[in-house]
Amino acid sequence: GQNIDQPTEMTATEGAIVQINCTYQTSGFNGLFWYQQHAGEAPTFLSYNVLDGLEEKGRFSSFLSRSKGYSYLLLKELQMKDSASYLCAVRWVDISGGYNKLIFGAGTRLAVHP
Amino acid sequence: DAGVIQSPRHEVTEMGQEVTLRCKPISGHDYLFWYRQTMMRGLELLIYFNNNVPIDDSGMPEDRFSAKMPNASFSTLKIQPSEPRDSAVYFCASTYGVAQETQYFGPGTRLLVL
Repeated sequence: GQNIDQPTEMTATEGAIVQINCTYQTSGFNGLFWYQQHAGEAPTFLSYNVLDGLEEKGRFSSFLSRSKGYSYLLLKELQMKDSASYLCAVRWVDISGGYNKLIFGAGTRLAVHP
Repeated sequence: DAGVIQSPRHEVTEMGQEVTLRCKPISGHDYLFWYRQTMMRGLELLIYFNNNVPIDDSGMPEDRFSAKMPNASFSTLKIQPSEPRDSAVYFCASTYGVAQETQYFGPGTRLLVL
């Protein structure tokens, strides 16, 4: 199957660093995405990795290891507004060709406390 | 850009009634996706279109669900007859090209079937 695993909940303190992990099935892998979703709102794009390594965007970084089927999202200098769900989504090669649809993990609910 | 537009934003209906959800993708985008999100099942892809043609509807739960895209700027998702288990948030998303790096989500329609 196309299982994507990420922790259900995490808590952290304002100003700290938190790492949210995501593991997935490696066969047919064609890209990994992280989305942020605040309660009652739509998911918004954070990052995209298709090659091994670290992608940095301000306070947020995302890492990918294709051989291990592993990614993490790193949030630095946490702010209260970072309290949200973080969704890991993986794109697998579709044997029929064309667009490779995304499969989303269940999401990790992050609570940032003062 | 106005982003992806969905209507209605909220819908409350009674079991057995027909429900029609609407989506206007971002202008120029050639892929459109319908997702459903619930606490139990997370974010699930229902169907997606490319250039107005349905490509993969394997996520459509059953025959009560149907989706159309009569032109590049409009799509509908219809549930007939609706059931309480259809209660969820339905998101529409769009993107451009096969190698695109992200999908852009609309605000969602919150559906409650009584």
